Amino acid sequence: SYELTQPPSVSVSPGQTARITCSGDALPKQYAYWYQQKPGQAPVLVIYKDSERPSGIPERFSGSSSGTTVTLTISGVQAEDEADYYCHSPDSSATYVFGTGTKVTVL
Amino acid sequence: QVQLQESGPGLVKPSETLSLICTVSGGSISSYYWSWIRQPPGKGLEWIGYIYYTGSTNYNPSLKSRVTMSVDTSKNQFSLKLTSVTAADTAVYYCARGHNGYDPRRGYYYYYMDVWGKGTTVTVSS
Repeated sequence: SYELTQPPSVSVSPGQTARITCSGDALPKQYAYWYQQKPGQAPVLVIYKDSERPSGIPERFSGSSSGTTVTLTISGVQAEDEADYYCHSPDSSATYVFGTGTKVTVL
Repeated sequence: QVQLQESGPGLVKPSETLSLICTVSGGSISSYYWSWIRQPPGKGLEWIGYIYYTGSTNYNPSLKSRVTMSVDTSKNQFSLKLTSVTAADTAVYYCARGHNGYDPRRGYYYYYMDVWGKGTTVTVSS
């Protein structure tokens, strides 16, 4: 079955930049989406169509795509950004898969 | 502001059927896709599938033989049924609103979920 691979954890100091990668063979031909999940809460969409930001999401969140890897970048990380982040994208048969998840820790 | 609320039994016995309803308030269920996602304790998210308000569906192949989704536009609700449950189906179950379409700029189809319910915990145990 199709897999989207993310690093288990990323640690970053406040004000620095966090980059979270997501790798999958179908990504060159599919959009990716990113969700933020804080403990005990439902996920929140932070990036859609690789790099578009929903209204209400801070500008410090951005997305990019290159080949089989998509990246979520959080510039000027704040304490409130500490959360789990999941990428989401379909395989070639429109089955949607979530990435393995990345825990972002703000030091 | 659209809001989603999951409801249903919090405890289901093994081999029985899990049934959940998601009620949509503050907006119409028409013209959108509606998803179910689950998260086992301490684990990641799993996409279960989605249903369009017309009734067309797309299920995760790993669950397809046990899943049925339906929509009731008169009540602004959609539902999930999962048969023959085991302890592995214990999870927080979320419903979400989805946007689905085709982007001619890139030639890609897209699907993303922008409004989520708070989730409901379902435990499978005798």
